[in-house]
Amino acid sequence: AQRVTQPEKLLSVFKGAPVELKCNYSYSGSPELFWYVQYSRQRLQLLLRHISRESIKGFTADLNKGETSFHLKKPFAQEEDSAMYYCALPPGGSQGNLIFGKGTKLSVKP
Amino acid sequence: DTGVSQNPRHKITKRGQNVTFRCDPISEHNRLYWYRQTLGQGPEFLTYFQNEAQLEKSRLLSDRFSAERPKGSFSTLEIQRTEQGDSAMYLCASSPRTGTGELFFGEGSRLTVL
Repeated sequence: AQRVTQPEKLLSVFKGAPVELKCNYSYSGSPELFWYVQYSRQRLQLLLRHISRESIKGFTADLNKGETSFHLKKPFAQEEDSAMYYCALPPGGSQGNLIFGKGTKLSVKP
Repeated sequence: DTGVSQNPRHKITKRGQNVTFRCDPISEHNRLYWYRQTLGQGPEFLTYFQNEAQLEKSRLLSDRFSAERPKGSFSTLEIQRTEQGDSAMYLCASSPRTGTGELFFGEGSRLTVL
């Protein structure tokens, strides 16, 4: 069965430090993976998709099929990056419906 | 604001009562999704509509839950005979039929069952 695992509930770093939020997945085939973010008192929103291979707000994520991972990285964390981050994938090629991980709370300290 | 709209934002009810939530998607989006989120968990898929057709339902959607999208626009999620375990945030999302696969979420409706 398809599954998304985010092993860290909480990640705390200091401003300017590198950050890596881990995501591992279980999926047969070529997955399409997403990172969603929820800032305090805001709605859940898309941060980035692996297909687009772009950097959003300084974040990047590389799909590693060998390790079945899609870790989210940023070289220099900012206080405004503090938020809940969710990794997600669509099960069985289904359009739109997503399986989410449990999320990682990123706290960036001044 | 032309984003996904949900109401009510908060609902407190007694066990055994029925509750209904409404979702207004982004107007040009023909796909609509309901998710449930409990504390410490990510959003869990409940059901999905394409236009007025309910195409997929999760096993989480027990017989007490029913969702409709009668005209392919807004949707309602009704929970009958609520139980304390139904307390959660109910999220609605929409997306266009063809697109990047991005879901656009509403702010959610928080249900507390006493």
